[in-house]
Amino acid sequence: EPEVTQTPSHQVTQMGQEVILRCVPISNHLYFYWYRQILGQKVEFLVSFYNNEISEKSEIFDDQFSVERPDGSNFTLKIRSTKLEDSAMYFCASILEAGELFFGEGSRLTVL
Amino acid sequence: KQEVTQIPAALSVPEGENLVLNCSFTDSAIYNLQWFRQDPGKGLTSLLLIQSSQREQTSGRLNASLDKSSGRSTLYIAASQPGDSATYLCAVPRGGSQGNLIFGKGTKLSVKP
Repeated sequence: EPEVTQTPSHQVTQMGQEVILRCVPISNHLYFYWYRQILGQKVEFLVSFYNNEISEKSEIFDDQFSVERPDGSNFTLKIRSTKLEDSAMYFCASILEAGELFFGEGSRLTVL
Repeated sequence: KQEVTQIPAALSVPEGENLVLNCSFTDSAIYNLQWFRQDPGKGLTSLLLIQSSQREQTSGRLNASLDKSSGRSTLYIAASQPGDSATYLCAVPRGGSQGNLIFGKGTKLSVKP
C-alpha cells in the first residue's frame, strides 16, 4: 500500500542550526502538507503546497520556515535557525485532490 | 472560528466492550470529517472519512457518524481489543481547504485485557 515516508525519524540539533526534514509523498498525490505536534498538544497545520508553490500557511509558518519540492518526489521543510520551541514532531501529509489526508510517521525534532 | 473538541480526554475499558468516542465542532459548514488513530510517538493513521453529505461510514469494527446540524461526530468501536489502545483524533477542514485540518486534542483509549 502506498505511504508517505519521512526522514529522519529523529533529529537532535543545537539552537540556531538549520534543519531540513524530508518527505516522499504518495506518488500520484497533488497536494502536500506539513503539520507539527508539540508534545502533549494538538496537531497543528503549518503549510500546504500545490503546483510548486505555497497555497496556504499558518501564522506559525514564519520567515524561519520554508518548503521546497526539489525534484519529482521529495518535499522538504527547512527551519533556518532553530529555536527551543521548534522541538516537536513534524508530520508530512499528502492528498490526491479531495478526500483522505495521508500522514507519514513523523520526524521528531529536538532542539537543545 | 472553528474549534474541535473531543470528550472524554481519556477512556479505559475492559476488552470486549463496545465504546463511543465523541467529537464536536463549532462551525457546521464542513466538507467532511476525518478520524485518525495515533499510536505513541507515531504518525496518524486515517481510519474513516465522512463526507458532509453522509450520515455514517463503516470500516470493520469501526463506525463513524456525522450530524452536521448539531456539530457532532461519534466513533463507535465494537468489541474492543487491547490492540485498539491508542489516541483517536478527529479533524475537520479549515474553511474550504481540504487538507488544512483543524484537529481535536484526541481521546486516549486504553483497552485492558
